[in-house]
This record gives sequence, structure tokens and C-alpha cells, in this order.
Amino acid sequence: KAGVTQTPRYLIKTRGQQVTLSCSPISGHRSVSWYQQTPGQGLQFLFEYFSETQRNKGNFPGRFSGRQFSNSRSEMNVSTLELGDSALYLCASSLASGGATDTQYFGPGTRLTVL
Amino acid sequence: GESVGLHLPTLSVQEGDNSIINCAYSNSASDYFIWYKQESGKGPQFIIDIRSNMDKRQGQRVTVLLNKTVKHLSLQIAATQPGDSAVYFCAEPRTPYSGNTPLVFGKGTRLSVIA
Repeated sequence: KAGVTQTPRYLIKTRGQQVTLSCSPISGHRSVSWYQQTPGQGLQFLFEYFSETQRNKGNFPGRFSGRQFSNSRSEMNVSTLELGDSALYLCASSLASGGATDTQYFGPGTRLTVL
Repeated sequence: GESVGLHLPTLSVQEGDNSIINCAYSNSASDYFIWYKQESGKGPQFIIDIRSNMDKRQGQRVTVLLNKTVKHLSLQIAATQPGDSAVYFCAEPRTPYSGNTPLVFGKGTRLSVIA
């Protein structure tokens, strides 16, 4: 079974631009979560989507948004990029089998650099 | 607040020796833990998990021990190899409907294997 895939793998943008990252979950997985990873802050939760609805949200400004499509694929968008948005953005998927704690499987990440 | 943390930020071991990576948690109600391995430039990779009804779980060259009395878990890697060099995270999945982040991570321990 194919793992979680993320595109693009690398991205360079300038301040003020916006960016869209894409994630395809493992087949059959219904939940997609996004995380930001930086050396200083570690892994920080952005949001989680399940059945095209945002189920949980972390402590990030409104410039960070996302969505999930009917095939469970997800996108996240960052508008008005700031230098501090430079990070590895990770997507994780899980079965979301019914409320029990669930194992999340991660994609390779998208490395975003903001100049 | 509740957290999942690591005791040591770095660990260096000789190739062939056993490695032990520790993790403490604060929520006594926590019932499921996962260890992830993250190599440079890649997303976290699932290694092994353990539920609170177990004290020990073994995989291929890896063993996770859970001590609920002192709220501590450890990852033991037998016969450490250069390919084991990575950052190791303990993580706690949270019930998705609780409004919590779905996965709480510790900051990670960097394992370096000396050939």
C-alpha cells in the first residue's frame, strides 16, 4: 500500500506570497493532520481534517488554512508568507476508525523556505 | 499542562551496542504511545507502539517498555547500526473528539551511532 505523499517536496517563496501544499493520505485513511516542524519549536499541530471538515485546530494565525476533499486528499494554504513560516510541513493520515486513539502515518514533508 | 517529554536531547552509542531512549509523560490517563524515527530530511516513521494494558512490546531489534507507576517509557534498540542514526520521538495520540491535538510529541532525542 502506498504511503502518505506530499507535493511539492521543496518550495522557495518570498515574503508576502502565498503557498498551497498538497497531501494524499494512505488509501482508506479518512483523517489528515498537518504539522509544522522547526528546529526551535519542534513539531506543532496545525489542523486536522476528517470527512471534509476541520475537526481540530492548533494555535496558528488565520493565515494558515486547509481543506479536505471527498477523496480525503488535503491541501493547506499559507497566505502573506513571513520569514518565520520557513519550516518542514508534515502531513499525517490515520484510519479514524471511530473515536479511539489512532496511529498516524507521516509523509516525507514539504520543505518551505521563505526569503 | 499535559506533556510528553524526552529526558536527553542527544545520545551517542558505539555501533553494535544497545541504545536506550527515555520518555516521560504527565497524564496518568494516557493509554497509548508511539515511537517515531525521523531521519534527516524525512518525515517521522512509525517504529513501534504500546498500549497501557502492556508493560513491554517487542519488534524487530526494538523493545518498548512502559512503566505506568512512574509514567515513563523507553525505547531500546539492540545492536545499534549506523542506519539507526536519527531523531526519535515518543508521541501520544489523543482521542480525536476531545478537541485536543491528535498527536502530542516530545521534543525528540538525536541518536548518533559511532562506527
